[in-house]
Amino acid sequence: DADVTQTPRNRITKTGKRIMLECSQTKGHDRMYWYRQDPGLGLQLIYYSFDVKDINKGEISDGYSVSRQAQAKFSLSLESAIPNQTALYFCATSDSDRYNNEQFFGPGTRLTVL
Amino acid sequence: QKEVEQDPGPLSVPEGAIVSLNCTYSNSAFQYFMWYRQYSRKGPELLMYTYSSGNKEDGRFTAQVDKSSKYISLFIRDSQPSDSATYLCAMRTTGGFKTIFGAGTRLFVKA
Repeated sequence: DADVTQTPRNRITKTGKRIMLECSQTKGHDRMYWYRQDPGLGLQLIYYSFDVKDINKGEISDGYSVSRQAQAKFSLSLESAIPNQTALYFCATSDSDRYNNEQFFGPGTRLTVL
Repeated sequence: QKEVEQDPGPLSVPEGAIVSLNCTYSNSAFQYFMWYRQYSRKGPELLMYTYSSGNKEDGRFTAQVDKSSKYISLFIRDSQPSDSATYLCAMRTTGGFKTIFGAGTRLFVKA
């Protein structure tokens, strides 16, 4: 079984719709992240969470919100989707006890906003 | 100017070639340098990790860091079609958790 799972894997929606992307992990890591990936721009950090009660904005948080329901679950919401939010979204986890902060990524969610 | 610059490619090489992938950066405080490999329709996976300057070798892969030039490289020897993927450089500061990623270089190794 995959250590970091994301649902859905693909989603097509319309402008103005509310969308939730979900992430679950079985690695027991305390830190979780949401990134978006666009061609030529690499991975951009949207939100990150060090534990259930610690949630922080990343570089591109406008238009997004998150919820850390449990240590193992971190969801990303688009309250009112717009076309420029069309991208590949990745959830990642890391263990604060590891010296190199290696991040483990899920398989990604491809989101298209029409 | 981005903190980390990486040529997106694509880079196409024949099987068996030596591949050189590179990134430049502007933040002299970066101390941890990483290379992630991302196959199509998959999430990135850590391939190599280096702390501060110097070289690190792992099988066919060698990572080099030149902090004086703010330049890092990944060399792949005897490249294989299975090496075809996007390679992302990444780096962070000591004590920092935020990892800055390059845009990724797409590599194709032709059989």
